[in-house]
Amino acid sequence: QQPVQSPQAVILREGEDAVINCSSSKALYSVHWYRQKHGEAPVFLMILLKGGEQKGHEKISASFNEKKQQSSLYLTASQLSYSGTYFCGTERRQAGTALIFGKGTTLSVSS
Amino acid sequence: GAGVSQTPSNKVTEKGKYVELRCDPISGHTALYWYRQSLGQGPEFLIYFQGTGAADDSGLPNDRFFAVRPEGSVSTLKIQRTERGDSAVYLCASSPLAGGFNTGELFFGEGSRLTVL
Repeated sequence: QQPVQSPQAVILREGEDAVINCSSSKALYSVHWYRQKHGEAPVFLMILLKGGEQKGHEKISASFNEKKQQSSLYLTASQLSYSGTYFCGTERRQAGTALIFGKGTTLSVSS
Repeated sequence: GAGVSQTPSNKVTEKGKYVELRCDPISGHTALYWYRQSLGQGPEFLIYFQGTGAADDSGLPNDRFFAVRPEGSVSTLKIQRTERGDSAVYLCASSPLAGGFNTGELFFGEGSRLTVL
């Protein structure tokens, strides 16, 4: 039931773009994205709900394909501050229980 | 305002000992979650409280793990007869949602790093 993230790691230079993917074998009600910097707590980025509603930061964009049970996070014009590990979390059932997180994608942005 | 507070930040114990980890959520948050995170892995779900009751404890790995939230605020994760494999960072998160049909934004604490020797 754990979602699968790809790629496992991305190395970018400032200004470059990246896409992080998240897929599940189960029907998804929502997909959540978090970023965790080394030694810190995960921080909320975005929620994508079934039906198209999104809640999150304006500078982060993502998509959610309900039929394919996939989500993608788009990081454009990357900055040094984007470095960290990105986790997607998927809801296990519609009644709203806990998020199940993927193993993460590590993004390294250099100048 | 204060965020999610977890104590202790670090705990070193010997195999077989009993450990308690405390989580103080953001005031007014009704939902509280425990996760644990091993190095290089994503947070692994343990248990979720809605108010005082455990809404979902299916992530607890075995009966050595137990959690309570008696007054709907502070929660304690209890681990009996600790094993080396229990070593991880234990994360607590809270959310303001009271029921409903999706998990809202989770506010995570800094975690309690447990090392079992």
